[in-house]
Formats: sequence, C-alpha cells, structure tokens
Amino acid sequence: DVKVTQSSRYLVKRTGEKVFLECVQDMDHENMFWYRQDPGLGLRLIYFSYDVKMKEKGDIPEGYSVSREKKERFSLILESASTNQTSMYLCASSLLHQDSRRNEAFFGQGTRLTVV
Amino acid sequence: SQQGEEDPQALSIQEGENATMNCSYKTSINNLQWYRQNSGRGLVHLILIRSNEREKHSGRLRVTLDTSKKSSSLLITASRAADTASYFCATSRRGSYIPTFGRGTSLIVHP
Repeated sequence: DVKVTQSSRYLVKRTGEKVFLECVQDMDHENMFWYRQDPGLGLRLIYFSYDVKMKEKGDIPEGYSVSREKKERFSLILESASTNQTSMYLCASSLLHQDSRRNEAFFGQGTRLTVV
Repeated sequence: SQQGEEDPQALSIQEGENATMNCSYKTSINNLQWYRQNSGRGLVHLILIRSNEREKHSGRLRVTLDTSKKSSSLLITASRAADTASYFCATSRRGSYIPTFGRGTSLIVHP
C-alpha cells in the first residue's frame, strides 16, 4: 500500500514563526503536492513538484515555499506564519504516468495548523 | 482555481437509500476522479473514469461521465451510516496530471 506520512497531525505556531511541514511517501512517486483546505473553499493547490529539486507554483503560493531535496520528501515552508494561514494542510503524491488510469493521488492524513 | 464543482453542497439521507452527487467542470479533461474524506482526515481515492469512458462501477459505487455536458455523477447505492463523509471530484486537464478539486459534497447517512 502507498503510504504518505505527514510529520504532524496538529500544530500550533506563533505569528512570525518559520514553520516546516514535512511529507514523506514510500512508493517512489514522481509527483508530490501540497494543498490547503478551508471550509467552503475546498482544496486549493499551493505548490507541486514533479521531480527532485523541481517545483511549480499552484493557485495560492503566496507566503509559502517548498523544498524537494529527495524524491520521497516534500516540505512546505511558511516563511513567516500569519493567522490567515491557519488551515488544514494536505500532502499528496502520484505517479507521473502517461496512462491516465494510473495517476490517482494518495493523500497523507493532514496537518491542522493553527497560527496564534 | 476550482475546475470541478460538486452539487449539492450537502445531502442528508436515511440508511438504505441511494445517494447521488454531481460534478460539473469547465475544460477538457484527461480523467475525472472521486475521493472521499472522513472528518478531519486525508482524502481517499474511490474511483477514476477516463475521458473516453461513460460509466464505471466499483462495489456500491457507480460513476458516469458526460463529456458533452462536462459533468459527472457519483451514485452510492444502499447507503450505510459509515458512508457519512465529504465527497470530492477532481479533474486533470488534458495534458496535465495535476488533480484540481471542487468544494465537495457533505453526505450524512442517518442510521
């Protein structure tokens, strides 16, 4: 079974802190994604990566950066946390595959971040 | 930007009834996927239908896709209280592998 593991289920940080959210997958997937989920807004893509050291901005990258130094690990960084970044953060991974039957996304359990 | 939009936003039914959720999208797609999310957890993949398929089944789930109307439906037959969750559709635009999600349908199944 594919496993995507996020380092924390719950996190409380202070405004202005630098925050690292870690995500690790164990199935050698090329693609990795970070989404945030807010009530009434669904899932919105922050950043994605299709290879080591490669990253692309999603729909809402402002205030975030990412790092992918190893294929299995994709980190989301909040450079200076703000209260409007309080949210549920979801990491996902998938195969980079020409056969579109095989690019389902596998999700971690989510990190609920509260910035106070 | 949201590619898919689910309808209704919320659905409340009795155990044993069928639940139907719809998804509309805007651009040509490679495939459409349905996911389930239990409260406070990550999403779990349910079923994927490719753009050249019209209907797909998996256990109590039936998904249809109408590319001319840019819409899909998810039918859960003989619902159970354990089906209570949020359901999301996700589309991958043609030429892209990035799943774009809608806002979801919240399903409550009363025992």
